[in-house]
Amino acid sequence: GESVGLHLPTLSVQEGDNSIINCAYSNSASDYFIWYKQESGKGPQFIIDIRSNMDKRQGQRVTVLLNKTVKHLSLQIAATQPGDSAVYFCAEETGANNLFFGTGTRLTVIP
Amino acid sequence: ETGVTQTPRHLVMGMTNKKSLKCEQHLGHNAMYWYKQSAKKPLELMFVYNFKEQTENNSVPSRFSPECPNSSHLFLHLHTLQPEDSALYLCASRRATSTRETQYFGPGTRLLVL
Repeated sequence: GESVGLHLPTLSVQEGDNSIINCAYSNSASDYFIWYKQESGKGPQFIIDIRSNMDKRQGQRVTVLLNKTVKHLSLQIAATQPGDSAVYFCAEETGANNLFFGTGTRLTVIP
Repeated sequence: ETGVTQTPRHLVMGMTNKKSLKCEQHLGHNAMYWYKQSAKKPLELMFVYNFKEQTENNSVPSRFSPECPNSSHLFLHLHTLQPEDSALYLCASRRATSTRETQYFGPGTRLLVL
């Protein structure tokens, strides 16, 4: 099946700095990508998505970049806040309409 | 709140017990999913229902039995589970259309099998 992996399992950033979380995917047929945030004791929460016909999408304080050439996805969080501390998952989807998730990156924001 | 609720939030059961997990979505979606989340593993898709019909069974052992009586409710019936089945079980839903739509997750049921 598809393989979605993350470069780093943990990331620590200073409050106020920008965070970048990376994700590699293996299926070039994937055409929809989503970033989820999961806080302790909660289910994954949708952050932002991007379709394969785009290479950048911006939300509130978050930006997702898609590089289809190297099959790489990143999530940028501007001015990281303590409330951003969580595990972040990328997920990819192909024609079967099912999502495949990476193992996640734990982001810790240092006050 | 995402509009997807799950009960119970926590469950402890013995290997000979029978229990059921419940999921309800209030979003008007027509596709529902069960996932298993174990420590340090990616979320594993278990079952998919589209318009109440099961369209995916991701090689899940028969001790897990899903039920979808309508497009708003999803159950996962559990019997004779094993300790390795201890995990967070997540329900998700989305609007099934010809274009990609986001899945919305419930808070999960934390299951411990003794």
